[in-house]
Amino acid sequence: DGGITQSPKYLFRKEGQNVTLSCEQNLNHDAMYWYRQDPGQGLRLIYYSQIVNDFQKGDIAEGYSVSREKKESFPLTVTSAQKNPTAFYLCASSGTGGITEAFFGQGTRLTVV
Amino acid sequence: GENVEQHPSTLSVQEGDSAVIKCTYSDSASNYFPWYKQELGKRPQLIIDIRSNVGEKKDQRIAVTLNKTAKHFSLHITETQPEDSAVYFCAARSSGGSQGNLIFGKGTKLSVKP
Repeated sequence: DGGITQSPKYLFRKEGQNVTLSCEQNLNHDAMYWYRQDPGQGLRLIYYSQIVNDFQKGDIAEGYSVSREKKESFPLTVTSAQKNPTAFYLCASSGTGGITEAFFGQGTRLTVV
Repeated sequence: GENVEQHPSTLSVQEGDSAVIKCTYSDSASNYFPWYKQELGKRPQLIIDIRSNVGEKKDQRIAVTLNKTAKHFSLHITETQPEDSAVYFCAARSSGGSQGNLIFGKGTKLSVKP
């Protein structure tokens, strides 16, 4: 569905734990993004990557980490340093070398318990 | 870096009326401006986009206008229908130093009353 898949759909984390959110795409897109969505806050950029083995911090990168070892995959780790991790997380991908549409995954809702 | 402001945050219209949502951006190097629609519990989906070399684009009941000089762009929905009710996001992508960085506005919750 849309070529970009996030898992799991729902995730519960205990305080002090690191958790990793998966994002995989089969669209052959170079660029991938992670956004956090909170009510009334829109979509805030956490990290983005334009090419394998390279990524840049977005506006709210503190407490998060990413890797881009493969073109298809861009996992996001929410570390214990992130003080308020409960949110809806969206992954997206797009082409580069032109101006192309970004496609979103279905999202992961993370809740701290 | 790029900053995108979106207004209003909520908008309520009667079915059949028009709706207009406005966005401003800060990075003059931005050259791509998409609009996304997000229905409750679903992923955002592109509804229309515009490049910086175009001033206006239309697709049936939806149109987007771009004023590069003023650095603002707007979404126009005519003959609104209840199924248009959703949250709409504007975004801007820079071609400059942060190329590829897609920055979103905070969203507008549109309610269309039958």
